[in-house]
Amino acid sequence: QKEVEQNSGPLSVPEGAIASLNCTYSDRGSQSFFWYRQYSGKSPELIMSIYSNGDKEDGRFTAQLNKASQYVSLLIRDSQPSDSATYLCAVNFLFSGGYNKLIFGAGTRLAVHP
Amino acid sequence: GAVVSQHPSWVICKSGTSVKIECRSLDFQATTMFWYRQFPKQSLMLMATSNEGSKATYEQGVEKDKFLINHASLTLSTLTVTSAHPEDSSFYICSANEGLSWEDTQYFGPGTRLTVL
Repeated sequence: QKEVEQNSGPLSVPEGAIASLNCTYSDRGSQSFFWYRQYSGKSPELIMSIYSNGDKEDGRFTAQLNKASQYVSLLIRDSQPSDSATYLCAVNFLFSGGYNKLIFGAGTRLAVHP
Repeated sequence: GAVVSQHPSWVICKSGTSVKIECRSLDFQATTMFWYRQFPKQSLMLMATSNEGSKATYEQGVEKDKFLINHASLTLSTLTVTSAHPEDSSFYICSANEGLSWEDTQYFGPGTRLTVL
């Protein structure tokens, strides 16, 4: 069973704080990982992709990957009310038969309050 | 990043009718496109993988005769919901890979909200 687990939240942080979003996945062989942001009623938009262990930074966002622990996280620095959304972790799994599929977690709802 | 469009953005139809949703990659060619469905307060569920020039691969539990997928060109895939019923009301979202590798990022269209009366 290929699974991606996220805490559903809501995660509430004050404006300007660091928001930390976590995700675990079931398949040690997975190689590509993505964070998407989804505002209510809208489709997901890509925030970051990460493929190698360690940190990857893009502006206020930092993705962290630890393949040994099967764990990927997203840090949002200087959180703004406009960051309030649901954050989806997605993992590309390889299935028997040689095909790949992107599996999404249920998402973590983030609320940044002024 | 790559841009994916969907049309229409919302549609209301009567039970028993068919609805076609178009998904286009605007500035890149997409060998593979994906169709997802999202019910309120739930995550995205993959319905099918659409490959240009071949039959779509449907996920378990998705009726291929009800959800017809056609990927006629490298920039267009269509999803037709046949004989729609109220339980088909949902948010339908397509996505496309920008490159040819399975590692490539999926970019999502804006979604189509279907309401079946």
